[in-house]
Amino acid sequence: DADVTQTPRNRITKTGKRIMLECSQTKGHDRMYWYRQDPGLGLRLIYYSFDVKDINKGEISDGYSVSRQAQAKFSLSLESAIPNQTALYFCATSDSGASGHAYNEQFFGPGTRLTVL
Amino acid sequence: AQSVTQPDIHITVSEGASLELRCNYSYGATPYLFWYVQSPGQGLQLLLKYFSGDTLVQGIKGFEAEFKRSQSSFNLRKPSVHWSDAAEYFCAVGPGRRALTFGSGTRLQVQP
Repeated sequence: DADVTQTPRNRITKTGKRIMLECSQTKGHDRMYWYRQDPGLGLRLIYYSFDVKDINKGEISDGYSVSRQAQAKFSLSLESAIPNQTALYFCATSDSGASGHAYNEQFFGPGTRLTVL
Repeated sequence: AQSVTQPDIHITVSEGASLELRCNYSYGATPYLFWYVQSPGQGLQLLLKYFSGDTLVQGIKGFEAEFKRSQSSFNLRKPSVHWSDAAEYFCAVGPGRRALTFGSGTRLQVQP
């Protein structure tokens, strides 16, 4: 089984609909992240969470919200989807304490392709 | 603020040829540097990382990268490219106040 899973893998929705993307991990990591990937722009950070009670905005958080339900679960919501939120969304995890480095390797889920019509 | 530049959006090489993908970073201290690969329809997989020590690091799939502080670079190399190496490659720098900062990516196409 994959260490970082995302559901759904693909979603087509309409403008104005509420959408939730879910991420679960079995790696036991404390840190989780949501990124958005657009062609030519690389990965941009939407939200990140260093533990269950610590949630922070990234560089492009407008129009998004998150919930860290447990250490292993981190959900991304689009309250009212719009077409320019059409993108590939990735969840990632990292372990702050594994080797003493502040930022270790990030482990990525397979991505969710979201299309907003 | 930290940043990463990957100057080449798209590179095409012949199978068996050598490869070098460029990455330049801006960071105020000693950086942590990463190369990730994204195959079509897949998530990102770590190829290699540099935290400290030897500036030439070896990764998976025959890739290596060299950290050059004087040039603020961390270029990825492979001596002989295979068709299965066709993918998008991302350079990233950390640690930051929040998370890794990624470059915009380089798409590699491999010709037979």
